[in-house]
Amino acid sequence: ELKVEQNPLFLSMQEGKNYTIYCNYSTTSDRLYWYRQDPGKSLESLFVLLSNGAVKQEGRLMASLDTKARLSTLHITAAVHDLSATYFCAVDEESQFYFGTGTSLTVIP
Amino acid sequence: DSGVTQTPKHLITATGQRVTLRCSPRSGDLSVYWYQQSLDQGLQFLIQYYNGEERAKGNILERFSAQQFPDLHSELNLSSLELGDSALYFCASSVAPSGVREKLFFGSGTQLSVL
Repeated sequence: ELKVEQNPLFLSMQEGKNYTIYCNYSTTSDRLYWYRQDPGKSLESLFVLLSNGAVKQEGRLMASLDTKARLSTLHITAAVHDLSATYFCAVDEESQFYFGTGTSLTVIP
Repeated sequence: DSGVTQTPKHLITATGQRVTLRCSPRSGDLSVYWYQQSLDQGLQFLIQYYNGEERAKGNILERFSAQQFPDLHSELNLSSLELGDSALYFCASSVAPSGVREKLFFGSGTQLSVL
């Protein structure tokens, strides 16, 4: 059974600090996606990583993919309150997208 | 706004009832995916349609069914509802059949409450 695991599940961090969210998966897929979900809202695509070594950056968020280790990371730099949300990673295999458990991030002033 | 439209936004019904959730994909998207999100199960893939045909099936119960119509909108039918079916149901769309190398665009969801 394909597994996508994220850690931590919950993350509380102070504004201005750095932190990393980890996503481990069991498939051999070389495609990984990161999504953001605000409370009570839908999911919004953040990054699409399509090959080993891929790195994408948008503002204070940077995502990377290591397909050999089956690991993706989402690094947060100098967190601000607006980044508070739940972050999901997902892999696709055989026409299905498998989502991780999600990491609920709260940025404290 | 993702361009994916889901109706209704909220649905309250009783156990044993049947409901239909509707989804209109983004203009030009041929694939529609249905997901169920609950606190204990997370985001679970239910089923995917591409251009009217069922493409992939996930953890969808036999009491649930879906279809995609010629105009590409999709409906998810939930019958003999149980308390445990209470969840947020998302529809997502993409251009390609498997979303290969493409991201999904999610609708705002239908919050189903079974009382």
